[in-house]
Amino acid sequence: QKEVEQNSGPLSVPEGAIASLNCTYSDRGSQSFFWYRQYSGKSPELIMSIYSNGDKEDGRFTAQLNKASQYVSLLIRDSQPSDSATYLCAGALEGGGADGLTFGKGTHLIIQP
Amino acid sequence: DAGVIQSPRHEVTEMGQEVTLRCKPISGHDYLFWYRQTMMRGLELLIYFNNNVPIDDSGMPEDRFSAKMPNASFSTLKIQPSEPRDSAVYFCASSSYPGTARYGYTFGSGTRLTVV
Repeated sequence: QKEVEQNSGPLSVPEGAIASLNCTYSDRGSQSFFWYRQYSGKSPELIMSIYSNGDKEDGRFTAQLNKASQYVSLLIRDSQPSDSATYLCAGALEGGGADGLTFGKGTHLIIQP
Repeated sequence: DAGVIQSPRHEVTEMGQEVTLRCKPISGHDYLFWYRQTMMRGLELLIYFNNNVPIDDSGMPEDRFSAKMPNASFSTLKIQPSEPRDSAVYFCASSSYPGTARYGYTFGSGTRLTVV
């Protein structure tokens, strides 16, 4: 059974600090991983995807993947109050999600001004 | 493109009634997914289509749920009869393979269903 686990939080981080969000997955067949941001009452929106071991950076966001440890993380540098949201980690088998993404329940992040 | 369009945004219905949720995917996307989100269970994949054909409906909770995609621009999710435990936010998402690996899914705004 495919499972993606996240700490539900809330994770409280002061403005300007680095927010670190973590995710583990159970299916070793998972190849691609995605981080989505979801504001309250809104739909999920894609922040980043990663499918190779190591780091991937995009602006203030860095995704990290360690397939041996079945661990994915998202770092948000210079956190802003507008980053306060629920962050969803999702995994996919080969096909990059064409056969469906398995989502974690999300981590609620609060950036304190 | 206007994105993935879902209707209605909110639906309140009485237990036992039929509910139909609608989705228009992004033009050119060949995959369409229906998800359900609750606080307890998070986002759950119900069913997905490829080129209008249902590929995997193993996530559909019961026979009360059915989904169709009669053409590339329209899909419905129907619940008949509805029950209070069906109350959730239902999302439709679409994607275009092989772009999915890089661009993920585009979600609609969702339909918040309340069954009383």
